[in-house]
Amino acid sequence: DGGITQSPKYLFRKEGQNVTLSCEQNLNHDAMYWYRQDPGQGLRLIYYSQIVNDFQKGDIAEGYSVSREKKESFPLTVTSAQKNPTAFYLCASSIQGVRETQYFGPGTRLLVL
Amino acid sequence: AQTVTQSQPEMSVQEAETVTLSCTYDTSESDYYLFWYKQPPSRQMILVIRQEAYKQQNATENRFSVNFQKAAKSFSLKISDSQLGDAAMYFCAYRSGETSGSRLTFGEGTQLTVNP
Repeated sequence: DGGITQSPKYLFRKEGQNVTLSCEQNLNHDAMYWYRQDPGQGLRLIYYSQIVNDFQKGDIAEGYSVSREKKESFPLTVTSAQKNPTAFYLCASSIQGVRETQYFGPGTRLLVL
Repeated sequence: AQTVTQSQPEMSVQEAETVTLSCTYDTSESDYYLFWYKQPPSRQMILVIRQEAYKQQNATENRFSVNFQKAAKSFSLKISDSQLGDAAMYFCAYRSGETSGSRLTFGEGTQLTVNP
């Protein structure tokens, strides 16, 4: 089946630890996005990438890093500099062009121990 | 910068009845797209409906339709014949049409409860 997968479903981070969230898509989409969702709030953009080996900061990029070495993959690293990482993280992808619509993965819940 | 506002944190509807969720947005652009996404308890974001700003005709997808008022910058979602499975958080979102691959700006959401 075509779609977007995120892993793991739940992730626990210890203080001072970097953790990486996986996002893979087999939709042949050019653009990929990472959003953060806090309880009772809408989604906020962390990073996005329109093409391999290129990405841009979103509204809340501090404490996060990404890479885009392959079209299918857009991993997000939550670094120790992110002081409040507990949230739900959603990955999305879209084709480029006029009719692009973002489709979302199932999300990863990150908790701090 | 664009902003999206959903003024109803919570709404409820009786099964089989109709409910309308409100959304307003602020933009200086003329070319843009508007979306409604649904987030059920599984937390998967599901696209419900989209509207191109250049189209005057309101979008419709089965029981879901929108009332797009461009001059008023209003984009409401009407759910007809509400079903228990419609219970979810609904998010209104805006995307610029002036640049490809641009971000979505979300409202804060409306929690819809469907009563049997």
